[in-house]
Amino acid sequence: NAGVTQTPKFQVLKTGQSMTLQCAQDMNHNSMYWYRQDPGMGLRLIYYSASEGTTDKGEVPNGYNVSRLNKREFSLRLESAAPSQTSVYFCASSTGGRAQPQHFGDGTRLSIL
Amino acid sequence: AQKVTQAQTEISVVEKEDVTLDCVYETRDTTYYLFWYKQPPSGELVFLIRRNSFDEQNEISGRYSWNFQKSTSSFNFTITASQVVDSAVYFCALSEALIYNQGGKLIFGQGTELSVKP
Repeated sequence: NAGVTQTPKFQVLKTGQSMTLQCAQDMNHNSMYWYRQDPGMGLRLIYYSASEGTTDKGEVPNGYNVSRLNKREFSLRLESAAPSQTSVYFCASSTGGRAQPQHFGDGTRLSIL
Repeated sequence: AQKVTQAQTEISVVEKEDVTLDCVYETRDTTYYLFWYKQPPSGELVFLIRRNSFDEQNEISGRYSWNFQKSTSSFNFTITASQVVDSAVYFCALSEALIYNQGGKLIFGQGTELSVKP
């Protein structure tokens, strides 16, 4: 059971470069999320997709864009990377509704120089 | 505003000791959901438990137990007879409804890093 798969696991970028973080889930979940984890701050929601075809901003969306490509895939794009975006990024999915637990991928560790 | 506070940043215990991780939350919702997640040194986030606001029964799963008290807005997590494998960062989270109740935003506490020494 793969669950939630994120690629890549590690990436180093230079300031101003762009890249896309990929996320795919095989649990037939409706909702998908992108969080970032910074030391001492827990995880914060960047964007989410409540269902296929919809996306909305979370708590810290500036500097990011997302695409819900289909029910399985939800990508996060950094158009012009900044050092402040150095973080660990987690993708999660759930069946939908706030009562349901979210299942997380292994994370992408991103460093921007 | 909804908020989760884990006041203990780091806890260090010796194997076989019992340890309690504190979680205090703030919400104006009458129905809400609380979660605990474990993040071992390998980095992934593992779901441990969900608690509904209308069910105040405590829960036990092996060496893990959870004490939910609405009167003090707390949802504490106790590990009995801790083991080295319990070393991890533990997060408490509160679920906030998103539009049309589709999906739920998780509001995380800052996490408590538990170190269990042999």
